[in-house]
Amino acid sequence: DSGVTQTPKHLITATGQRVTLRCSPRSGDLSVYWYQQSLDQGLQFLIQYYNGEERAKGNILERFSAQQFPDLHSELNLSSLELGDSALYFCASSGTGELADTQYFGPGTRLTVL
Amino acid sequence: KNQVEQSPQSLIILEGKNCTLQCNYTVSPFSNLRWYKQDTGRGPVSLTIMTFSENTKSNGRYTATLDADTKQSSLHITASQLSDSASYICVVSARTGGFKTIFGAGTRLFVKA
Repeated sequence: DSGVTQTPKHLITATGQRVTLRCSPRSGDLSVYWYQQSLDQGLQFLIQYYNGEERAKGNILERFSAQQFPDLHSELNLSSLELGDSALYFCASSGTGELADTQYFGPGTRLTVL
Repeated sequence: KNQVEQSPQSLIILEGKNCTLQCNYTVSPFSNLRWYKQDTGRGPVSLTIMTFSENTKSNGRYTATLDADTKQSSLHITASQLSDSASYICVVSARTGGFKTIFGAGTRLFVKA
């Protein structure tokens, strides 16, 4: 158990809909990262937040947005969903210090768009 | 351009055999290199982490090596078990103000009985 929690575990929805994925980082970790992993693909970095502020942006679509709240949990919002958005979405968190990039991954949310 | 390349893309071995996975990187300035294991449908789990001054790090049957001069790393798995079937991801971090982390595409390992 990495200490990172993600909800829900599974999500099935229809094209055009909007969903919110939630992530709680490890206790004390200030950074939260979101990744997308499509079937048999590598991890694609979407976005990073550090202590409530956006820190880095990857291949995140304009239809997707994220935020990190004062209690450090984060939400990833996916809107106008398309079939191709079906994937595993992972959240990871990291702390501070020399190994600040040590990322601990949550169990993921499996999104299926029908 | 910062890149991490892994080989082979996939590998099939018999239970009990050893195997070695490769990772080449062009990440600069290098901070550390990490190997993750990802079981299907699960989040990646860190196996080893090595900084510039380390050239070998072990975690049970997993041994990672790092040659910072040639920018190559390997992950050696000894006496493979069925539970070793997973994707192995090489991740390299560059210290550029903060940290920039680059993920390799992974090597898919299948261990057969």
